[in-house]
Amino acid sequence: DTGVSQNPRHKITKRGQNVTFRCDPISEHNRLYWYRQTLGQGPEFLTYFQNEAQLEKSRLLSDRFSAERPKGSFSTLEIQRTEQGDSAMYLCASSSRDRGNLYNEQFFGPGTRLTVL
Amino acid sequence: GIQVEQSPPDLILQEGANSTLRCNFSDSVNNLQWFHQNPWGQLINLFYIPSGTKQNGRLSATTVATERYSLLYISSSQTTDSGVYFCAVEYVSWGKLQFGAGTQVVVTP
Repeated sequence: DTGVSQNPRHKITKRGQNVTFRCDPISEHNRLYWYRQTLGQGPEFLTYFQNEAQLEKSRLLSDRFSAERPKGSFSTLEIQRTEQGDSAMYLCASSSRDRGNLYNEQFFGPGTRLTVL
Repeated sequence: GIQVEQSPPDLILQEGANSTLRCNFSDSVNNLQWFHQNPWGQLINLFYIPSGTKQNGRLSATTVATERYSLLYISSSQTTDSGVYFCAVEYVSWGKLQFGAGTQVVVTP
């Protein structure tokens, strides 16, 4: 078990460009979360997948953001027409919960740091 | 939504000192996690502690769910303990974590 991985680790882009990040969760974890963290703040929830279904989205996730988790394995987060306000650390987490079991410890990847110039 | 407050916001310790970090939350929660964020941004799991007391080496944590708070104890602090400590609570069934603003800890030699 190698933990949650994210790529790329760093991304510098110009305003208006599209970017895509990838998250590979811990194998067999059925739940996957995306969070965003800006400087000096705690992470904030963006969206949640259970297997391949995207079940929750935060109001922080504008129309320029889209996330997918095909086949319930890795996930991608795309930001279209990036803005300077999108500069942040994007964190992915995964967990495994079965029905009737409340255990849901989330494990985080190293994050992708996005800088929009 | 639920409010999560951490105190103190900043803590400077001399190596070898003990400290207590506090996390208060405004509503009932399903679960609670403590994390340490290292200088590279990686969130490291410290404790998964919806209630009760747990210990892991020099660290221990206590959650009193009925009174809506959790404490993280650091004993005999080391410079490697420096970083930001986050408390995060899960208050909805599908697991969204609500984080506090963190406690920035600096341990000096």
